[in-house]
Amino acid sequence: QSALTQPASVSGSPGQSITISCTGTSSDVGGYNYVSWYQQHPGKAPKRMIYEVSNRPSGVSNRFSGSKSGNTASLTISGLQAEDEADYYCSSYTSSNTYVFGTGTKVTVL
Amino acid sequence: EVQLVESGGGLVQPGRSLRLSCTASGFTFGDYAMSWVRQAPGKGLELVGFIRSRTYGGTTEYAASVKGRFTISRDNSKSIAYLQMNNLKTEDTAVYFCTRVAAGGFDYWGQGTLVTVSS
Repeated sequence: QSALTQPASVSGSPGQSITISCTGTSSDVGGYNYVSWYQQHPGKAPKRMIYEVSNRPSGVSNRFSGSKSGNTASLTISGLQAEDEADYYCSSYTSSNTYVFGTGTKVTVL
Repeated sequence: EVQLVESGGGLVQPGRSLRLSCTASGFTFGDYAMSWVRQAPGKGLELVGFIRSRTYGGTTEYAASVKGRFTISRDNSKSIAYLQMNNLKTEDTAVYFCTRVAAGGFDYWGQGTLVTVSS
């Protein structure tokens, strides 16, 4: 199972919006609405920010939103803040009855 | 409050074994699948494997990189998930996270435990 493809890095200025893509295949991202997004600060455990493509867990800021088109899912962070600087990973359920992570994206707030 | 606490990490020589534990609290442990996810130094997340809930027979799935060497088990009476790692290799060096599986992903994560495989 190959990792989902994410850009290595994305940057933006405070207040701007950025979008991170997560590209898979029809056997994972495109085939199921089970895409999640995770935020990981250095030395910390990941935290789920989005589940089932576009749902936010309780307590997650509404500045985070998710969507999907075909085999590509996206995470958008609006009103970028310094605290959003972190690594972001996507994951998807797969047709092999398992899960796969994305390659990870480092978000830098300029 | 859901809590997952890993233990058992440490320094181990190549070829040796190690068992990690994940003690869960704050939810009905037996109703959820549990997974182990690892992160090598400076690298991304990799699913090691997971064990389904009792409803789904407690069956397991593993990454190709660990299949045949690692075994995931669970004790629902104690709310503990285990990761038995045999024939460890230097490339198994990583922080190992225990997670709960829900809504098509991993909703709660432990703090992680570091496993270093080195002679």
